[in-house]
Amino acid sequence: LAKTTQPISMDSYEGQEVNITCSHNNIATNDYITWYQQFPSQGPRFIIQGYKTKVTNEVASLFIPADRKSSTLSLPRVSLSDTAVYYCLVGDSRFSGGYNKLIFGAGTRLAVHP
Amino acid sequence: EADIYQTPRYLVIGTGKKITLECSQTMGHDKMYWYQQDPGMELHLIHYSYGVNSTEKGDLSSESTVSRIRTEHFPLTLESARPSHTSQYLCASSRTQRNTEAFFGQGTRLTVV
Repeated sequence: LAKTTQPISMDSYEGQEVNITCSHNNIATNDYITWYQQFPSQGPRFIIQGYKTKVTNEVASLFIPADRKSSTLSLPRVSLSDTAVYYCLVGDSRFSGGYNKLIFGAGTRLAVHP
Repeated sequence: EADIYQTPRYLVIGTGKKITLECSQTMGHDKMYWYQQDPGMELHLIHYSYGVNSTEKGDLSSESTVSRIRTEHFPLTLESARPSHTSQYLCASSRTQRNTEAFFGQGTRLTVV
């Protein structure tokens, strides 16, 4: 299970683009990169998943460089409602050993200010 | 929308009582998980299951137990509640083939007095 490192906290203002970077130097060939969002008093919510290059959906974009040792979650034009904790997870999306546990780290606490 | 349900949402109970937190999902997911989370703190995996009749301990030791007799149902039981068990308990499920995309319930906030 690849270890991930992400900033403990970030601050932003409404309307800005926010980029949260996650380092995963030991990522394995079959590993995917997955991001979750958690609001206070709620369970985490899946945001986006990718393997390489760029993935975009209605919520965010995920940028993964060629070496895959890091990834960046990009939130365009954030609003106050984007204030949440964002978790980066790395592991094999298929049926395999360690990632079956689905371990969350400390995440990045994003605060969006007016 | 995720179809995973936890009951009760809130529970205040006295020390020494036996409690069962319910978790059900209607998505046919094989994998299910229980997490414990204190306010503002990390999520800790306490139990998980690969499928029916499969249960495993997570990374955080817990005095709770779980069972998986049916695919859709993954209850968590505390035989004798203590104040140290006060926390939020979150249940989740995922497909085997895409187990990194998990769906979470709303959680049960347990207070033991």
